[in-house]
Amino acid sequence: DGGITQSPKYLFRKEGQNVTLSCEQNLNHDAMYWYRQDPGQGLRLIYYSQIVNDFQKGDIAEGYSVSREKKESFPLTVTSAQKNPTAFYLCASSIRAGMGLDTQYFGPGTRLTVL
Amino acid sequence: QKEVEQNSGPLSVPEGAIASLNCTYSDRVSQSFFWYRQYSGKSPELIMSIYSNGDKEDGRFTAQLNKASQYVSLLIRDSQPSDSATYLCAVGNNDMRFGAGTRLTVKP
Repeated sequence: DGGITQSPKYLFRKEGQNVTLSCEQNLNHDAMYWYRQDPGQGLRLIYYSQIVNDFQKGDIAEGYSVSREKKESFPLTVTSAQKNPTAFYLCASSIRAGMGLDTQYFGPGTRLTVL
Repeated sequence: QKEVEQNSGPLSVPEGAIASLNCTYSDRVSQSFFWYRQYSGKSPELIMSIYSNGDKEDGRFTAQLNKASQYVSLLIRDSQPSDSATYLCAVGNNDMRFGAGTRLTVKP
């Protein structure tokens, strides 16, 4: 069964903690993305990766970090430097590396809440 | 100016009616256009993609693209209560930009 998985579904973070959100895909897609969604706002791009061992900052990368050591995996770390991390985080992937041209498919999301 | 604009709604239509969702975009050289449906608390799921001017139909859904007017729309025929969701418009060129979404309610 091909798809994108994200874990955990819900995550609670204390002030000053770093947390890592998992994203795995078995679609053999080259490109992977992380978005943040806040109520009433569109999706905002945090980071994207077009190929293993390479990634680029999106519009709101400050306070976040990523790695792409395997084609299937693109974890996102929310660091303590991110001042307002409470949001719904969505991972997506697309077949090719052309960011805006191919359909992006989304995982189920992780809802992060800061306590 | 927002790059991708949608009326936030809520848009309310009776069951069986046609729902019309609109989206305008600012990047004149955009090449790809997508409509996603997002149920409350869930992730977006693709409804349709469209790349050329004109209409594209898929079942009860029709996407319409007018690049000259920088406008893309989604029509949902025979609307069902299960269509009640937020509909996101996405526009792509070198990157992908998403609108904030239009919330649709279909009343039985």
